[in-house]
Amino acid sequence: DAGVIQSPRHEVTEMGQEVTLRCKPISGHNSLFWYRQTMMRGLELLIYFNNNVPIDDSGMPEDRFSAKMPNASFSTLKIQPSEPRDSAVYFCASSFVGGSNEQFFGPGTRLTVL
Amino acid sequence: SQQGEEDPQALSIQEGENATMNCSYKTSINNLQWYRQNSGRGLVHLILIRSNEREKHSGRLRVTLDTSKKSSSLLITASRAADTASYFCATSQSGGYNKLIFGAGTRLAVHP
Repeated sequence: DAGVIQSPRHEVTEMGQEVTLRCKPISGHNSLFWYRQTMMRGLELLIYFNNNVPIDDSGMPEDRFSAKMPNASFSTLKIQPSEPRDSAVYFCASSFVGGSNEQFFGPGTRLTVL
Repeated sequence: SQQGEEDPQALSIQEGENATMNCSYKTSINNLQWYRQNSGRGLVHLILIRSNEREKHSGRLRVTLDTSKKSSSLLITASRAADTASYFCATSQSGGYNKLIFGAGTRLAVHP
Protein backbone atom coordinates (compact mmCIF):
# COMPACT_ATOMS: atom_id res chain seq x y z
CA ASP A 1 0.00 0.00 0.00
CA ALA A 2 1.27 3.49 -0.82
CA GLY A 3 0.09 4.95 2.46
CA VAL A 4 -1.80 8.22 2.78
CA ILE A 5 -1.13 10.44 -0.21
CA GLN A 6 -1.29 14.22 -0.04
CA SER A 7 -0.89 16.82 -2.73
CA PRO A 8 0.62 19.21 -3.28
CA ARG A 9 3.62 18.75 -0.96
CA HIS A 10 4.37 22.46 -1.03
CA GLU A 11 2.12 25.39 -1.88
CA VAL A 12 3.06 29.05 -1.99
CA THR A 13 0.26 31.47 -2.68
CA GLU A 14 -0.67 35.08 -2.17
CA MET A 15 -3.12 36.37 0.34
CA GLY A 16 -6.68 36.24 -0.93
CA GLN A 17 -6.15 33.28 -3.22
CA GLU A 18 -8.03 30.01 -2.94
CA VAL A 19 -6.04 27.00 -1.80
CA THR A 20 -7.11 23.37 -2.20
CA LEU A 21 -5.30 20.56 -0.44
CA ARG A 22 -5.94 16.96 -1.43
CA CYS A 23 -5.77 13.66 0.36
CA LYS A 24 -6.13 10.02 -0.60
CA PRO A 25 -6.52 7.80 2.47
CA ILE A 26 -5.35 4.22 2.78
CA SER A 27 -7.70 1.86 0.99
CA GLY A 28 -10.14 0.23 3.42
CA HIS A 29 -9.85 2.90 6.10
CA ASN A 30 -13.14 4.46 7.10
CA SER A 31 -11.99 7.49 9.12
CA LEU A 32 -10.13 10.51 7.77
CA PHE A 33 -8.64 13.40 9.71
CA TRP A 34 -7.29 16.80 8.74
CA TYR A 35 -4.71 18.40 11.05
CA ARG A 36 -2.79 21.66 11.04
CA GLN A 37 0.64 21.99 12.63
CA THR A 38 2.39 25.21 13.56
CA MET A 39 5.18 26.03 15.98
CA MET A 40 2.89 28.22 18.03
CA ARG A 41 -0.18 26.00 18.25
CA GLY A 42 1.22 22.52 17.75
CA LEU A 43 -0.89 19.86 16.08
CA GLU A 44 -4.56 20.80 15.83
CA LEU A 45 -7.40 18.58 14.64
CA LEU A 46 -9.46 20.52 12.14
CA ILE A 47 -12.12 18.03 11.06
CA TYR A 48 -12.68 14.32 10.78
CA PHE A 49 -14.90 12.10 8.71
CA ASN A 50 -16.30 8.66 9.34
CA ASN A 51 -17.60 6.75 6.32
CA ASN A 52 -17.32 9.99 4.29
CA VAL A 53 -19.56 11.91 6.71
CA PRO A 54 -18.15 14.86 8.68
CA ILE A 55 -18.41 13.96 12.36
CA ASP A 56 -16.72 16.86 14.09
CA ASP A 57 -15.66 20.11 12.45
CA SER A 58 -15.30 22.10 15.66
CA GLY A 59 -11.61 22.54 14.97
CA MET A 60 -12.13 24.36 11.69
CA PRO A 61 -10.88 27.86 12.48
CA GLU A 62 -13.46 29.86 10.55
CA ASP A 63 -15.77 29.90 7.59
CA ARG A 64 -12.87 30.38 5.21
CA PHE A 65 -12.06 26.71 5.75
CA SER A 66 -14.14 23.92 4.27
CA ALA A 67 -13.59 20.20 3.80
CA LYS A 68 -15.29 17.58 1.69
CA MET A 69 -15.09 13.85 1.27
CA PRO A 70 -17.08 12.92 -1.85
CA ASN A 71 -16.04 9.27 -1.67
CA ALA A 72 -13.99 6.87 0.42
CA SER A 73 -10.80 7.51 -1.51
CA PHE A 74 -10.61 11.29 -1.71
CA SER A 75 -10.89 14.36 0.48
CA THR A 76 -10.17 18.05 0.03
CA LEU A 77 -9.48 20.90 2.43
CA LYS A 78 -10.14 24.31 0.93
CA ILE A 79 -9.18 27.73 2.22
CA GLN A 80 -10.88 30.67 0.57
CA PRO A 81 -9.66 33.36 0.84
CA SER A 82 -6.27 32.45 2.26
CA GLU A 83 -4.45 34.65 4.78
CA PRO A 84 -0.81 34.73 5.96
CA ARG A 85 -1.83 33.25 9.33
CA ASP A 86 -2.98 30.12 7.52
CA SER A 87 0.66 29.29 6.79
CA ALA A 88 1.30 25.89 8.34
CA VAL A 89 1.82 22.23 7.54
CA TYR A 90 -1.47 20.46 6.91
CA PHE A 91 -1.63 16.73 7.52
CA CYS A 92 -4.19 14.20 6.47
CA ALA A 93 -4.47 10.92 8.39
CA SER A 94 -6.66 7.86 8.07
CA SER A 95 -7.58 4.96 10.29
CA PHE A 96 -9.99 2.06 10.53
CA VAL A 97 -12.67 2.33 13.21
CA GLY A 98 -12.85 -1.00 14.97
CA GLY A 99 -9.26 -1.80 14.18
CA SER A 100 -6.07 -0.97 16.05
CA ASN A 101 -7.13 2.68 16.42
CA GLU A 102 -3.79 3.98 15.19
CA GLN A 103 -3.76 6.76 12.65
CA PHE A 104 -1.62 6.75 9.54
CA PHE A 105 -0.37 10.15 8.51
CA GLY A 106 0.43 11.51 5.09
CA PRO A 107 3.63 13.48 4.43
CA GLY A 108 1.83 16.80 4.79
CA THR A 109 1.38 19.91 2.67
CA ARG A 110 3.51 22.88 3.62
CA LEU A 111 1.43 25.98 2.90
CA THR A 112 2.92 29.44 2.73
CA VAL A 113 0.59 32.39 2.24
CA LEU A 114 2.42 35.59 1.37
CA SER B 1 -7.76 22.44 24.31
CA GLN B 2 -4.91 20.00 24.42
CA GLN B 3 -5.49 16.74 26.24
CA GLY B 4 -1.91 15.56 26.48
CA GLU B 5 0.98 17.59 27.80
CA GLU B 6 4.49 16.27 27.30
CA ASP B 7 7.40 16.86 29.56
CA PRO B 8 10.15 17.79 28.99
CA GLN B 9 9.66 20.01 25.95
CA ALA B 10 13.18 19.20 24.80
CA LEU B 11 15.69 16.52 25.73
CA SER B 12 19.32 16.20 24.66
CA ILE B 13 21.28 13.01 25.37
CA GLN B 14 24.25 10.99 24.15
CA GLU B 15 23.98 7.82 22.09
CA GLY B 16 23.56 4.79 24.30
CA GLU B 17 21.75 6.66 27.07
CA ASN B 18 18.10 6.13 27.89
CA ALA B 19 15.49 8.78 27.11
CA THR B 20 12.35 9.20 29.17
CA MET B 21 9.43 11.36 28.13
CA ASN B 22 6.29 11.95 30.14
CA CYS B 23 2.73 12.77 29.19
CA SER B 24 -0.16 13.95 31.34
CA TYR B 25 -3.78 14.15 30.34
CA LYS B 26 -7.01 15.45 31.81
CA THR B 27 -9.98 13.21 31.10
CA SER B 28 -10.77 9.50 30.99
CA ILE B 29 -9.35 7.67 28.02
CA ASN B 30 -9.78 4.47 26.04
CA ASN B 31 -6.15 4.29 25.13
CA LEU B 32 -3.01 6.38 24.83
CA GLN B 33 -0.69 6.31 21.87
CA TRP B 34 2.82 7.55 21.18
CA TYR B 35 3.89 8.88 17.80
CA ARG B 36 7.20 9.99 16.38
CA GLN B 37 7.78 12.79 13.89
CA ASN B 38 11.01 13.25 12.03
CA SER B 39 11.72 16.75 10.79
CA GLY B 40 9.60 17.59 7.76
CA ARG B 41 7.67 14.33 7.88
CA GLY B 42 4.29 13.06 9.01
CA LEU B 43 3.74 11.37 12.35
CA VAL B 44 4.40 7.66 12.68
CA HIS B 45 2.63 5.46 15.21
CA LEU B 46 4.96 3.81 17.72
CA ILE B 47 2.88 2.07 20.36
CA LEU B 48 -0.60 1.97 21.86
CA ILE B 49 -1.47 1.19 25.47
CA ARG B 50 -5.05 0.57 26.54
CA SER B 51 -6.58 2.03 29.67
CA ASN B 52 -6.59 -1.39 31.39
CA GLU B 53 -2.89 -1.95 30.72
CA ARG B 54 -0.05 -0.67 32.91
CA GLU B 55 3.01 -1.40 30.82
CA LYS B 56 3.86 -2.33 27.27
CA HIS B 57 7.07 -3.06 25.40
CA SER B 58 8.02 -2.88 21.75
CA GLY B 59 11.67 -3.37 20.91
CA ARG B 60 13.63 -0.61 22.67
CA LEU B 61 10.42 1.17 23.67
CA ARG B 62 8.70 0.82 27.02
CA VAL B 63 5.46 2.61 27.79
CA THR B 64 3.77 2.86 31.16
CA LEU B 65 0.31 4.15 31.98
CA ASP B 66 -0.99 5.29 35.34
CA THR B 67 -4.68 6.07 35.00
CA SER B 68 -4.95 7.19 38.62
CA LYS B 69 -2.43 9.94 37.94
CA LYS B 70 -3.56 10.41 34.34
CA SER B 71 -0.01 10.08 33.12
CA SER B 72 2.14 8.00 30.82
CA SER B 73 5.83 7.68 30.12
CA LEU B 74 7.80 6.58 27.09
CA LEU B 75 11.25 5.14 27.66
CA ILE B 76 13.66 4.63 24.78
CA THR B 77 16.57 2.46 25.84
CA ALA B 78 20.06 2.49 24.34
CA SER B 79 19.24 5.51 22.20
CA ARG B 80 20.69 6.01 18.74
CA ALA B 81 21.27 9.13 16.66
CA ALA B 82 18.42 7.92 14.42
CA ASP B 83 16.01 8.31 17.36
CA THR B 84 16.36 12.09 17.02
CA ALA B 85 12.80 13.31 16.43
CA SER B 86 9.78 14.80 18.14
CA TYR B 87 7.64 12.45 20.18
CA PHE B 88 3.93 13.03 20.80
CA CYS B 89 1.45 11.37 23.05
CA ALA B 90 -2.17 11.19 21.91
CA THR B 91 -5.26 10.17 23.83
CA SER B 92 -8.35 8.49 22.53
CA GLN B 93 -11.65 8.95 24.32
CA SER B 94 -14.64 6.65 24.24
CA GLY B 95 -17.08 7.14 21.39
CA GLY B 96 -14.56 9.26 19.57
CA TYR B 97 -14.48 7.51 16.20
CA ASN B 98 -10.75 7.09 16.70
CA LYS B 99 -10.37 10.83 17.31
CA LEU B 100 -7.04 11.58 18.96
CA ILE B 101 -5.97 14.60 20.96
CA PHE B 102 -2.24 15.28 20.64
CA GLY B 103 0.08 16.93 23.11
CA ALA B 104 2.71 19.52 22.26
CA GLY B 105 5.49 16.95 21.93
CA THR B 106 9.01 16.42 23.22
CA ARG B 107 11.95 17.20 20.93
CA LEU B 108 14.61 14.57 21.44
CA ALA B 109 18.16 15.07 20.20
CA VAL B 110 20.55 12.11 20.42
CA HIS B 111 24.17 13.05 19.86
CA PRO B 112 26.70 10.55 18.46
